[in-house]
Amino acid sequence: GQNIDQPTEMTATEGAIVQINCTYQTSGFNGLFWYQQHAGEAPTFLSYNVLDGLEEKGRFSSFLSRSKGYSYLLLKELQMKDSASYLCAVRKKLIFGAGTRLAVHP
Amino acid sequence: DGGITQSPKYLFRKEGQNVTLSCEQNLNHDAMYWYRQDPGQGLRLIYYSQIVNDFQKGDIAEGYSVSREKKESFPLTVTSAQKNPTAFYLCASSMGRSNTEAFFGQGTRLTVV
Repeated sequence: GQNIDQPTEMTATEGAIVQINCTYQTSGFNGLFWYQQHAGEAPTFLSYNVLDGLEEKGRFSSFLSRSKGYSYLLLKELQMKDSASYLCAVRKKLIFGAGTRLAVHP
Repeated sequence: DGGITQSPKYLFRKEGQNVTLSCEQNLNHDAMYWYRQDPGQGLRLIYYSQIVNDFQKGDIAEGYSVSREKKESFPLTVTSAQKNPTAFYLCASSMGRSNTEAFFGQGTRLTVV
């Protein structure tokens, strides 16, 4: 079976850095995705990791350790518009975690 | 423009009735997915299809049915057997290769009245 865990909620301050963790247990791993979802909207793609290490994309970075079944999404220079849910998902079937609701405060 | 379209955006259904949610994509994607999202929750996989004329159950398939007769279309039927159908339904598609992200439609919000 597959199991994906993320913290339910996090809060952070505008301009700060926040790290959202994701741990997973899956039979057959073909990559891990991070998505952002604003309330009432569809998720949008942020990043993809299939090999161990850090992938950087502007203010967003994602890290993967396959041996530990662990990933994190790092958001830098937080802005108010970053308040959203962040979902991690693993292939092969594209299963999602429950998501982490991030609230950014002034 | 290429994209994935779900219709309708809002749907009301009387208890005991079947209802079909539409999902169409013109991205030439092989794989398509249906998810259910309840308030404050993550996405749960209902059904997925890796290729035309083939589909697999996800984690919560009971009370739902799908078909994949065309590459572009993956309709979801919510049957009367689904005990708690009120939810936000999201359809997604991807190239089918593992290293490609899935693109989502805008979702259908189904309410049972």
